[in-house]
Formats: sequence, C-alpha cells, structure tokens
Amino acid sequence: DSGVTQTPKHLITATGQRVTLRCSPRSGDLSVYWYQQSLDQGLQFLIQYYNGEERAKGNILERFSAQQFPDLHSELNLSSLELGDSALYFCASSPLATGTEQFFGPGTRLTVL
Amino acid sequence: ELKVEQNPLFLSMQEGKNYTIYCNYSTTSDRLYWYRQDPGKSLESLFVLLSNGAVKQEGRLMASLDTKARLSTLHITAAVHDLSATYFCAVDDKLVFGAGTILRVKS
Repeated sequence: DSGVTQTPKHLITATGQRVTLRCSPRSGDLSVYWYQQSLDQGLQFLIQYYNGEERAKGNILERFSAQQFPDLHSELNLSSLELGDSALYFCASSPLATGTEQFFGPGTRLTVL
Repeated sequence: ELKVEQNPLFLSMQEGKNYTIYCNYSTTSDRLYWYRQDPGKSLESLFVLLSNGAVKQEGRLMASLDTKARLSTLHITAAVHDLSATYFCAVDDKLVFGAGTILRVKS
C-alpha cells in the first residue's frame, strides 16, 4: 500500500458524460500527478500539481481538467467523454516538485460505453 | 520530444537464469525510474537513479544508469516465478514511460 488513495475504483459511464476522479496523496506529499494507462497509448503523463499550483502539463486533452485543493487532495475532471477515454487513471504523489520517486495510487478504471 | 524505448517487450525466462532489460532514451536526463506492475494492479517503485553511474540493487534485481549513453539496464539474477510482472522504465520528473517489458518466469 503506497499511502495514495483514489476513488472510485471503477466507473462506468456513457459517451458525452462528465466524471470526476479523486486522489488523496500520501501524508506530507505536496506534488500530485495524474497518468492515463491504455492499451494503445501506454502510460502517459497528464498533469502535475505542486502545493496547489499547476506545475507541468503533459498530453492532457482540453476536455480534461484538474485541480489541487488546499488540503492537497486532487480531482481530475473528464468531460464530453468518448469511447477512447476508457482507461486506467492513476494518481501519484511525491514530497517535492522534482527529483523524487512518485508513489502511485491503486487507480480508477474508467469504462465509457 | 523525449522518447523512451525498452527492449525486449516480452521476455520468457526459465527459473534460475539471468537476463537484462534495456531502456534507451532520446534526450539528456539524469533522472530514471524503474517500476513494476502486476496484472490489474498499480505501479510499484523499484529503483530511483539520479546520477550517471548510479547502481542500485534489491534482491535479484539490479539497475544501473549511464547518462552519457542514455541507457539504463535492469538485470535479473537467478529469476524466480515471483518476478513475473511488467517492468517499466521512466525518464524525467514527468515520468515519460517506456512501453514496458512483460516478464514471464517459467519453472
């Protein structure tokens, strides 16, 4: 158990809908990262927040957004969902902004029907 | 754009044998990470390599980093069934991942 929690574990929804994935980092970690894992794209970095501020952006679609709250938990919002958004979404956390290993949560499996 | 290549992508090993997984990356970086993923599970951090020449060992696994060659290796010694998993290398703080190496250890 990495200490990173994610909810929900599974999510099944329809195309065009909007969902919110939630992540609580390990105690004391200030950085939160979001990753998407799919069969065709592999593991891709989406976005990083550090102490409430956006720090780095990866291959995140405009339909997706994220934020980190004052208590350091983070939410990833996915809207206008398409079949291709079906994937495993991981959150990771680390103590610092750079140069430290990231600890991954259990993931949220999103299925878009 | 940073690209990370792993090979082989699939590795079937006999128990007790040794093998090496290679991770090449395209641009300069001194931050390389190895992760393990079991089917349907999350990623588990194995090694953090933060400087040229870094070598780390844990049990039957040893990882090394050559930043000049832009190459990291994950060496498996005397493989056992419990090592069966997918192994990923990732480069940079934004974790650009390789495609992963599926390792199957046969008895």
